[in-house]
Amino acid sequence: ETGVTQSPTHLIKTRGQQVTLRCSSQSGHNTVSWYQQALGQGPQFIFQYYREEENGRGNFPPRFSGLQFPNYSSELNVNALELDDSALYLCASSFGWPPSTDTQYFGPGTRLTVL
Amino acid sequence: AQKVTQAQTEISVVEKEDVTLDCVYETRDTTYYLFWYKQPPSGELVFLIRRNSFDEQNEISGRYSWNFQKSTSSFNFTITASQVVDSAVYFCALIPRETSGSRLTFGEGTQLTVNP
Repeated sequence: ETGVTQSPTHLIKTRGQQVTLRCSSQSGHNTVSWYQQALGQGPQFIFQYYREEENGRGNFPPRFSGLQFPNYSSELNVNALELDDSALYLCASSFGWPPSTDTQYFGPGTRLTVL
Repeated sequence: AQKVTQAQTEISVVEKEDVTLDCVYETRDTTYYLFWYKQPPSGELVFLIRRNSFDEQNEISGRYSWNFQKSTSSFNFTITASQVVDSAVYFCALIPRETSGSRLTFGEGTQLTVNP
């Protein structure tokens, strides 16, 4: 058990809709990172938040956005869903200020299916 | 840019066999950190080990061992006397200290199947 939780577990949306995924970090971890994992591939970095501010972003369009709250919870929002957004979305929490090389502990993920 | 290569897409062994998962990495940074994670069918990435670039000592933890060779940019993972519960996808990952901060770069993963 990493202490990192995500909700919902599974989600089905249709193309063009918007979705919000939630993550609760391990207590005391002030950095949260989000990753997208397509089927059969390794996770790809989306972005990272440290003390409620974005700190680094991968090659994802602006329709992927996030929020981090003071209570160690965070959100990943995706607008105008596309079929290729179907994936497992993982959040990871870690301790330390960026650039931190501290170990990232992952939640169980949210599996998003876009029809 | 950094890159992690796991050339073995799938490995299948019989229980009690030893198995080695290969990982080769590329980075221009002199300081970096390497990780292995296990992903069982449930989907959660389970942290196994973290090593920094200055520590080339091999590490053993129970049936698991890791061989870090800076000269060949490799960080291989060996499971001794494999068990069915070891069946999972294993990912090698890298964080270079200077250039990309806290973002993990993952390999494509190796699917390990241990048959009874």
